Amino acid sequence: DAGVIQSPRHEVTEMGQEVTLRCKPISGHNSLFWYRQTMMRGLELLIYFNNNVPIDDSGMPEDRFSAKMPNASFSTLKIQPSEPRDSAVYFCASSFGHPSGYTFGSGTRLTVV
Amino acid sequence: ILNVEQSPQSLHVQEGDSTNFTCSFPSSNFYALHWYRWETAKSPEALFVMTLNGDEKKKGRISATLNTKEGYSYLYIKGSQPEDSATYLCASGDNAGNMLTFGGGTRLMVKP
Repeated sequence: DAGVIQSPRHEVTEMGQEVTLRCKPISGHNSLFWYRQTMMRGLELLIYFNNNVPIDDSGMPEDRFSAKMPNASFSTLKIQPSEPRDSAVYFCASSFGHPSGYTFGSGTRLTVV
Repeated sequence: ILNVEQSPQSLHVQEGDSTNFTCSFPSSNFYALHWYRWETAKSPEALFVMTLNGDEKKKGRISATLNTKEGYSYLYIKGSQPEDSATYLCASGDNAGNMLTFGGGTRLMVKP
């Protein structure tokens, strides 16, 4: 298995533009997580899906952020409109429940100018 | 303890020193404790997962212990090397669901 695949690796966009981050989890994993890494807050959980259904989105910062998981092999995290304070590394992780833990993707480094 | 807490936040050691750091987690409804190694500009990589009180895991110079009754785990690195420099994350899972709660990490820097 190629692991959790995220795209793009890097994204630079202008304030106000829409940004879409993509994630392909490991085949067979039934849980998918979106995290954001910032200097101030470390690793923050944004949203968590189980069997493609959003379970906990309390970490999503505001209405500008949305996430979907249309099928077991694909998820998107969208920011519209983007703002400079959204600049961070966004990680996707997938899991097959306890006690296997999470496998993280390589992350998407987002810079909003 | 309501959250997962790690100490110290950061640690500077000399090459060859042995070191250890702590992860504290809620002991009620405990299910599993995970350690991850997170190098700069990379993604977190799984080191160990432990579930039973008294568990001890070892990988090369790195080992970890687990005390579920008092809610703590130690990570030990013997003879630290510069390539051990990374942030070490622990995460606790309870028996209510799949989500792990991550600690803030211990950032280890090993000077040659």
